[in-house]
Amino acid sequence: DAKTTQPTSMDCAEGRAANLPCNHSTISGNEYVYWYRQIHSQGPQYIIHGLKNNETNEMASLIITEDRKSSTLILPHATLRDTAVYYCIVANGGSQGNLIFGKGTKLSVKP
Amino acid sequence: EAEVAQSPRYKITEKSQAVAFWCDPISGHATLYWYRQILGQGPELLVQFQDESVVDDSQLPKDRFSAERLKGVDSTLKIQPAELGDSAMYLCASSPQTGFAYGYTFGSGTRLTVV
Repeated sequence: DAKTTQPTSMDCAEGRAANLPCNHSTISGNEYVYWYRQIHSQGPQYIIHGLKNNETNEMASLIITEDRKSSTLILPHATLRDTAVYYCIVANGGSQGNLIFGKGTKLSVKP
Repeated sequence: EAEVAQSPRYKITEKSQAVAFWCDPISGHATLYWYRQILGQGPELLVQFQDESVVDDSQLPKDRFSAERLKGVDSTLKIQPAELGDSAMYLCASSPQTGFAYGYTFGSGTRLTVV
């Protein structure tokens, strides 16, 4: 079973920030939080990952709470092309870190 | 940007027939994964290869599914005989080494419909 809980769906207005929450209350000390997204009819695409510090790259920011039991993926200026299913995954950062997907959050960006 | 190639893109087959999917990973990627994605669900891992060896096939229905990666490069996933419940997207992914979940690159998948 997936180790994360995400809302089934969310809407966001184009140009606004999209904040996607994820609960991972059973995360262990050596597990990372990974985010992937899947645009319709394509394979999943890596977005970002983190252990305990906040992370930012050209695609998104990842905010992890101090107790590491939850996190938020932030798309700062959502576009229509960001409409996708977003998966939050907890996995070991080393050689056993295989991806186990849940159902994810369907983000719909609306004009 | 390097891509994981999969073919065919779409496949329609009758139940009880055999069907095969092909995957060519990114050059140099030692680890290859096959996932199955039923409509509305997240991808489910079927089999993982490290070079030519199977590392994990615990979720592969071995009575009808088989997978091989003979030379440690490209890979084939076969279903024989196909059943109606096998209708799904079959995704291939590769990564430079086992684990390190940020390093996965997925192909666009093969959409299988069994009629």
